[in-house]
Formats: sequence, C-alpha cells, structure tokens
Amino acid sequence: QSVLTQPPSASGTPGQRVTISCSGSNSNIGSNSVNWYQHLPGTAPKVLIYSNNQRPSGVPDRFSGSKSGTSASLAISGLQSEDEADYYCAAWDDSLNAHWVFGGGTKLTVL
Amino acid sequence: QVQLQESGPGLVKPLQTLSLTCTVSGGSITSGHYYWSWIRQPAGKGLEWIGRVYSSGSTNYNPSLKNRVSISIDMSKNQFSLTLSSVTAADTAVYYCAREVLRYFDGGAWNWFDPWGQGTLVTVSS
Repeated sequence: QSVLTQPPSASGTPGQRVTISCSGSNSNIGSNSVNWYQHLPGTAPKVLIYSNNQRPSGVPDRFSGSKSGTSASLAISGLQSEDEADYYCAAWDDSLNAHWVFGGGTKLTVL
Repeated sequence: QVQLQESGPGLVKPLQTLSLTCTVSGGSITSGHYYWSWIRQPAGKGLEWIGRVYSSGSTNYNPSLKNRVSISIDMSKNQFSLTLSSVTAADTAVYYCAREVLRYFDGGAWNWFDPWGQGTLVTVSS
C-alpha cells in the first residue's frame, strides 16, 4: 500500500483533458514539492513535472501540475495516443527517518 | 548527457544477498549537487524508493528496508552499488538506479529524479 494515493486508472479520448490526483499528508505533500513521472513499460521512468508545476525541457506544455495543501494533480490536455502510460507522483516525506514516497501509479488509457 | 545502467545477477536465492551496481556515464558521479538512488518496482505494483547515497558517502534509507540495505559509492569507477540482505520472494522486482537532482531557486530547495536507468529484473527463487 503506497503512502501517496492515486486512482489506479484513468482514461480519455484523443483531444480530451484528463487529470490525475495524488493525495498525501502533512509530512509529505503538505511540506514538500511534488514530482510526476511517466513510465512506459520496459523503459526508464521519465520526469514529467518537478517542483509541483515545472516542466523539464522537452516535455510538452500539454502537461501541467498543481498542488494545494496535501493534494496534487497532473493535468494532460489535448490527449494523444502516445500519452498512454503509467503516471506516478512522488514527494519527500519528513516523518521519522525521512524518505521518498511514491503514489501507487495511475494507468492512463487513451480510448 | 548523463546515462545510468544497472548491472548484476538476475537470480538470487532466498536468504542470500542481492547486489547491484549502477554505472554512471556522461558525467562524474561527484560533480554537482546530486544524490544517487535505488528504486524498485515489483511486478504489478508501484514504485518503492530504497535509498540514496551522496558523493560524500552519506546515505538515507527507506525505513521499511533499513535493516537489510546498504548503498555505497565508488568514485574511482563512477559507480554506486546496492546490497540487500536476507532476500525473500517479496524482493523480486525491477530495480532502477536514478540520479536525484538538487536545485535551489525561488527561495527554496527542490529535488527530483532524472535520469533513471533502464532497470534490471531481479528474481528471488531457489
């Protein structure tokens, strides 16, 4: 069971906008920034959003991130077939023996 | 462009020690503000952070694995390594190494994993 809570699945049709939520607590999302990773099976995970809402160079502006309190969201607009992947949120947790925590992942299906 | 590559045995017997190495190419493991992490993913499950090492040798570990894990750095070989002792079937997973980037801007400190290695499957079985 993951420390951060994500819906196990999400879906949308090409061109639609979808959002994926990530819920945590005061010791992780409430205190630290959230990063989002895209993972296609068999490949290396790739950072999509860092520091809550920053996109690395090369990541399309269709991807955006936000954070409020102990929750965060990843939004994908103009959905494309190549966006079909697993998406994970992550945050540093300041509890005893501080460590990184991940969400359980959301499998995005483009219908 | 920095690249990471995991290597090590793909099969480990129960109660033995799992050992993996991550080779960093395209840059020095000691340059810049970076931690070097291990992350794993059991089949059908999410990602789990195992721990990290800094160039100074200081480490942080996931509390759930702390008693069994050790991460070290070898600057001469531009590598860092993971050992996980007393493994069981629950340790079967794809193991990834990743660089943790540290940056300071907008009045704060920010960190994220980039890049990651391709991952290596380790199966614990007799």
